[in-house]
Amino acid sequence: GQSLEQPSEVTAVEGAIVQINCTYQTSGFYGLSWYQQHDGGAPTFLSYNGLDGLEETGRFSSFLSRSDSYGYLLLQELQMKDSASYFCAVPSGNTPLVFGKGTRLSVIA
Amino acid sequence: KAGVTQTPRYLIKTRGQQVTLSCSPISGHRSVSWYQQTPGQGLQFLFEYFSETQRNKGNFPGRFSGRQFSNSRSEMNVSTLELGDSALYLCASSLRGQGINEQYFGPGTRLTVT
Repeated sequence: GQSLEQPSEVTAVEGAIVQINCTYQTSGFYGLSWYQQHDGGAPTFLSYNGLDGLEETGRFSSFLSRSDSYGYLLLQELQMKDSASYFCAVPSGNTPLVFGKGTRLSVIA
Repeated sequence: KAGVTQTPRYLIKTRGQQVTLSCSPISGHRSVSWYQQTPGQGLQFLFEYFSETQRNKGNFPGRFSGRQFSNSRSEMNVSTLELGDSALYLCASSLRGQGINEQYFGPGTRLTVT
């Protein structure tokens, strides 16, 4: 089977940096993805890591360590609009994506 | 390109009824996946269609079914609705599916069963 663990809630100050961790257990590994979902909105793709290391896209970065079954999403220069839920997800053998339960990020002034 | 569209956006049904939800993927995308999102269970995979064939199926009862048409549009049907079926139903399209490729989600259909 497959499972992903991530913190349920994180609070951070505007302008700061926040890291959202994700650990996974999968039978077979095909990469780790991150999605953002604002309240009332649809999930939107943020990043994908297929190999170990850091992927950077503007203020967002994502890291993967396959040997540790661990990844994280790093958000820099936090803005109020970054308040949302963030999901890590992995493909499995019979499922396009298995999602973690999500981390609700609250950015405060 | 137009994004993924889903209709209807909101739906209220009573227990025992059935419902059909529709999803139009991004032009050129052949894979459509359906997910159920609830506060307690999060995002759970229902099924995936690729070129009119169900390629994968999640762990949901047989009351949940779907299909895909030749133009890649997809429908899902839930029969004999139960209160626990109240959820946001999301569809996602991608070029080839399998989750490695970026999935583009529609706005969802909010189903309320009373």
